Amino acid sequence: TQLLEQSPQFLSIQEGENLTVYCNSSSVFSSLQWYRQEPGEGPVLLVTVVTGGEVKKLKRLTFQFGDARKDSSLHITAAQPGDTGLYLCAGARQGGSEKLVFGKGTKLTVNP
Amino acid sequence: DTEVTQTPKHLVMGMTNKKSLKCEQHMGHRAMYWYKQKAKKPPELMFVYSYEKLSINESVPSRFSPECPNSSLLNLHLHALQPEDSALYLCASSQVGQGAIGYGYTFGSGTRLTVV
Repeated sequence: TQLLEQSPQFLSIQEGENLTVYCNSSSVFSSLQWYRQEPGEGPVLLVTVVTGGEVKKLKRLTFQFGDARKDSSLHITAAQPGDTGLYLCAGARQGGSEKLVFGKGTKLTVNP
Repeated sequence: DTEVTQTPKHLVMGMTNKKSLKCEQHMGHRAMYWYKQKAKKPPELMFVYSYEKLSINESVPSRFSPECPNSSLLNLHLHALQPEDSALYLCASSQVGQGAIGYGYTFGSGTRLTVV
């Protein structure tokens, strides 16, 4: 059973376009994190959202945590080729240990 | 120092070899993790160490043997691996108890392992 469903799985867009990636679950999470991973490298933490309804902005990236803390979204404005990579959401189960649950990832390609 | 350093970066080993992967961090994190990542898949948790003690083993085959000699080092000993064990092996660290909540994980760049 995949606890975190990410969509879309693949996304190829042109430079300058906007996009949204979704991370959904039927479970409640105490926090959700977004990572970006480039080929041959480890994931790099972009943001952690903790409070239901929370919105965080990181330059052109906007992250939102659902009110019920079951879902999250990542919106990128005016995408650039440097945004290309694998975007992973990961969640900490409520009452769980240090174990994170990862979504399957969204492979984003931004074409110049 | 805000990095997790993994060595070697690449490793090719035969099915009868014994090798070790190493991971080091100096951020004072007391939780350390081994993940396995196959191509185009998300990382899969293998082991968690908390305060240098093994706290989670995700039913990993015994040909993988973790070791945490001190709070900064994490090793993964490999023996009699199979070709299907070829993958990117990632080490990560975090604060204990808060790692999944406020501060997230810091991942190393990984070791690309090929078993021939």
